[in-house]
Amino acid sequence: KAGVTQTPRYLIKTRGQQVTLSCSPISGHRSVSWYQQTPGQGLQFLFEYFSETQRNKGNFPGRFSGRQFSNSRSEMNVSTLELGDSALYLCASNGRGANTGELFFGEGSRLTVL
Amino acid sequence: AQSVTQLGSHVSVSEGALVLLRCNYSSSVPPYLFWYVQYPNQGLQLLLKYTSAATLVKGINGFEAEFKKSETSFHLTKPSAHMSDAAEYFCAVSDPGNQFYFGTGTSLTVIP
Repeated sequence: KAGVTQTPRYLIKTRGQQVTLSCSPISGHRSVSWYQQTPGQGLQFLFEYFSETQRNKGNFPGRFSGRQFSNSRSEMNVSTLELGDSALYLCASNGRGANTGELFFGEGSRLTVL
Repeated sequence: AQSVTQLGSHVSVSEGALVLLRCNYSSSVPPYLFWYVQYPNQGLQLLLKYTSAATLVKGINGFEAEFKKSETSFHLTKPSAHMSDAAEYFCAVSDPGNQFYFGTGTSLTVIP
């Protein structure tokens, strides 16, 4: 069973640019969550999508957005990049039926903003 | 909202010594609790999870954790540390709405 796949793994952008990151969940998983990980801040929750609908949202500015497609693949976009957006962006899928399901993480997309 | 507190952002142990990583949570309802491990340049991997069955949960790589409701704790232990255990460890709790809350992580160093 293939795991969660994130692309690209590494990317470098400059301030003011925008970036799109992609996540393919485990087959059959309908929930996809995104997290930002920075040193000292741990994992900060961005948003969760379930069946193409945003179900939960973290406390991030509107520059951060996402969407989910009918095949459960998800993308997140960051516009007008700032230096502070440099981070590891992790995607996780969840196939829970009852509320016992764990998150399955991809390897992340490491974004560097110059 | 729930919260997770991991005491000690950095823990060092000697190879062969006991590993103890602390996690406390705040929850008004019975929680689902998890420990994840992250190796450099990788995503998070599930070590173990508590889902209201046995209070002592065994995970992969010899790790286990004990759920103590009275102390709202879910500490992670391993009897004998191995060099390969050096990594970042995260405690997490999920609520009925599938919202996950992570601690800030504990970096484990194993000294040869």
